[in-house]
Amino acid sequence: DAGITQSPRHKVTETGTPVTLRCHQTENHRYMYWYRQDPGHGLRLIHYSYGVKDTDKGEVSDGYSVSRSKTEDFLLTLESATSSQTSVYFCAIRTATGTPLEQFFGPGTRLTVL
Amino acid sequence: RKEVEQDPGPFNVPEGATVAFNCTYSNSASQSFFWYRQDCRKEPKLLMSVYSSGNEDGRFTAQLNRASQYISLLIRDSKLSDSATYLCVVNPWNNNDMRFGAGTRLTVKP
Repeated sequence: DAGITQSPRHKVTETGTPVTLRCHQTENHRYMYWYRQDPGHGLRLIHYSYGVKDTDKGEVSDGYSVSRSKTEDFLLTLESATSSQTSVYFCAIRTATGTPLEQFFGPGTRLTVL
Repeated sequence: RKEVEQDPGPFNVPEGATVAFNCTYSNSASQSFFWYRQDCRKEPKLLMSVYSSGNEDGRFTAQLNRASQYISLLIRDSKLSDSATYLCVVNPWNNNDMRFGAGTRLTVKP
């Protein structure tokens, strides 16, 4: 158990509304990630953070923003949700040191945009 | 061409069978390799990291072939509880940019 929780676990929203997903970790990990998972695709990286207020874009960042004001919380925001953002969203943390650098995932948030 | 490719399956095998999955990757400079398992509607969980010399963990054996750019996972003496989707993951630069395959689904039947 990597001590990661995500909220909400399920959400249904309408096109054009803002949505914020929260990832919370209890073990003071520096690196945190947001992925989305869609049928036929592997998990794809949206954004990641390497410290408080330090974030960077991933492979599929368009339409998403993130914030990290505290070590334990990493927020993912869809400013204006679209149906193409219907997906399962996973947060992950990375072990700080060692090779290889393994990632551990939260339970996921299932988002439906109508 | 996808960066990480897996046979989607499904693989349906009887209990006790040996089953092997392959995964190919396109970036020859890739540094780190992993197998994750994912149960239906759950998060991916790390099964094992894959080392250059190959490694074994109980009934699971992982191999890396850098020349041919593939990794494999062998499961011996399959259990019902092994039923899951197995994700191949490659980290090209051993940094934050993990690349995931779409997964191979395994069903072990009594």
